[in-house]
Order: sequence, then structure tokens, then C-alpha cells
Amino acid sequence: GDSVTQMEGPVTLSEEAFLTINCTYTATGYPSLFWYVQYPGEGLQLLLKATKADDKGSNKGFEATYRKETTSFHLEKGSVQVSDSAVYFCALRSPGGSYIPTFGRGTSLIVHP
Amino acid sequence: DVKVTQSSRYLVKRTGEKVFLECVQDMDHENMFWYRQDPGLGLRLIYFSYDVKMKEKGDIPEGYSVSREKKERFSLILESASTNQTSMYLCASSFEGSGRISQYFGPGTRLLVL
Repeated sequence: GDSVTQMEGPVTLSEEAFLTINCTYTATGYPSLFWYVQYPGEGLQLLLKATKADDKGSNKGFEATYRKETTSFHLEKGSVQVSDSAVYFCALRSPGGSYIPTFGRGTSLIVHP
Repeated sequence: DVKVTQSSRYLVKRTGEKVFLECVQDMDHENMFWYRQDPGLGLRLIYFSYDVKMKEKGDIPEGYSVSREKKERFSLILESASTNQTSMYLCASSFEGSGRISQYFGPGTRLLVL
């Protein structure tokens, strides 16, 4: 079945550092890929998505590129801020059927001033 | 803006009580979901619904039931709460059409069962 593997956290960085959160997946066919963010005390928000190979999703300075050859969708940001501290979830949805995404376990990011 | 609201942010219940968690969305979405979120386990799907009165079991339906009598409302019911159901519960709704996929989450209900 489908699965998503994320690097374990927490990831702890200083402000303005470069961020990478790794995400790899297993799925049949060509899934759509997503990153969600959960700020403290809130629900999940869609951060970015990519629906086909080599697509790059981007939002709020975050980017992720759909790499079919390595089955990866790593999240990156060039310069993190304290306000980026949150839990980040990678997810996929296989084509066809109802929209039921498969989520990774989440990676906590802590950014220090 | 899409809004998914949940009836309570925090709940404290006793073992054996019947618990109702309510979720309402205002964008006429067909699909609605209930997840629970636990440290180290991520999100696990309990139930989902793709239409009024339709429901499907997710990965961990045991000990839960759901009700969807109206399109905008999806209720999660714990028939007899147990301490291992202490968790964060997240409701979501989704729309898919014209090549667009969108899923929206509520703020969550943190349930403590004593």
C-alpha cells in the first residue's frame, strides 16, 4: 500500500538557517504530493503541492520538487524564521478514487532567534 | 475562506461516557474526514464520508462511529470512552474537481478521558 516516510525530528535551527525536511514515498502510479504545516494549537494547513513529476510546489518561501526517479518530495527553505516553528507533514494521494491522503508522521521544526 | 469548525477545542470526559465531536464545514464539500493525531504516530484516519449518509471505515475505526445527516456536518461518536482514546481529533473536508484537490482542516479537539 501507499506510505510516506519523513525524517524524524525535532529539527532545531537558528534563524536564517537553511532548512531541508526529507520525505520519500511508496505508491503505485503517479500520486499527487503535498506538504502540510501545523502551527501550535491549530489544525493542518496545506502549504504546497505538486501533481506530476518534476513539478515544483512553492509557498511562503518553501519549495519542494516532485522527483519520480528518487520517489522524493523534500521540503526546503533558504532562510527560516522563528515563525516557521511548526510540525510539517508530507502526504500523498494516489490517483483515482476519493480523496484520502496518506500522511507521514510529521517533523517538528524549532527555530531559535 | 473555507471554514471547518469543531464544536470544542478541549474536552474532559470520564471512562464509559458517550462523547460527541461535531464538525461543520461551510463550503459544500462532498468529502469529510475524522483523524486522530498522537505523538510519534502522525495522523490516522478513523472514518470518512463522501456523501450524506455515506461513511467508510478508515484505518482505526474500532471504538468509534460517525454520523452524516447533513452535507455540512460530520459527527464522531465515542460510544463508551476509554483512556486510550485520549488524543487530538482533527476533522477535515475536501473538494476535488477540475483537476484541483483541496483539503481543509479544523483546529482540532483535544480530548482527555479520565
